[in-house]
Amino acid sequence: DQQVKQNSPSLSVQEGRISILNCDYTNSMFDYFLWYKKYPAEGPTFLISISSIKDKNEDGRFTVFLNKSAKHLSLHIVPSQPGDSAVYFCAATFWGGNEKLTFGTGTRLTIIP
Amino acid sequence: GAVVSQHPSRVICKSGTSVKIECRSLDFQATTMFWYRQFPKQSLMLMATSNEGSKATYEQGVEKDKFLINHASLTLSTLTVTSAHPEDSSFYICSASPSGGPGEQFFGPGTRLTVL
Repeated sequence: DQQVKQNSPSLSVQEGRISILNCDYTNSMFDYFLWYKKYPAEGPTFLISISSIKDKNEDGRFTVFLNKSAKHLSLHIVPSQPGDSAVYFCAATFWGGNEKLTFGTGTRLTIIP
Repeated sequence: GAVVSQHPSRVICKSGTSVKIECRSLDFQATTMFWYRQFPKQSLMLMATSNEGSKATYEQGVEKDKFLINHASLTLSTLTVTSAHPEDSSFYICSASPSGGPGEQFFGPGTRLTVL
């Protein structure tokens, strides 16, 4: 039972344009969401997070949007840079959930120079 | 920023042997550590939650007798894959939390295990 889903396994975006990565979840208990970036043979690195009391969180080139009614979140990267090429995972958890993260299946983002 | 190390980064072993993977938090104390497993082109699957000084909590479907976890100190957790078989070949990643919120998890670089 995949509670966190990323339906696009891959995405290619021109350098300088906006990259939009999507994530859907099914468990309404989730109230905290995170995006991680991962290079091959490395552990994930934290990018940005959002609590369910917000619908938007921005950090530099990265913005995460949360639509609770649709159980959907998205990560916007603008402008996209070649160094952004990686696999992006969304993850979800809930306070009181012993900090356990449930990860999506990942989206491989390729930035085309 | 917080750093989590894993050792070894890569290990190849024969079927039937046991392999120990170490996870260390280098600049903070971690009351909780997590062990994940990732198959090629798949998501990170949580295997178990390791709590310092107490038994690990395993996720459904993870054999606790096969994947032994020890969290002996606030900076070290070990995962031992006992009697490894080829199907145990995978990428194992640990994360550590300095007892903050869920966004406080820091991941190690991972260990690639290949069982021949």
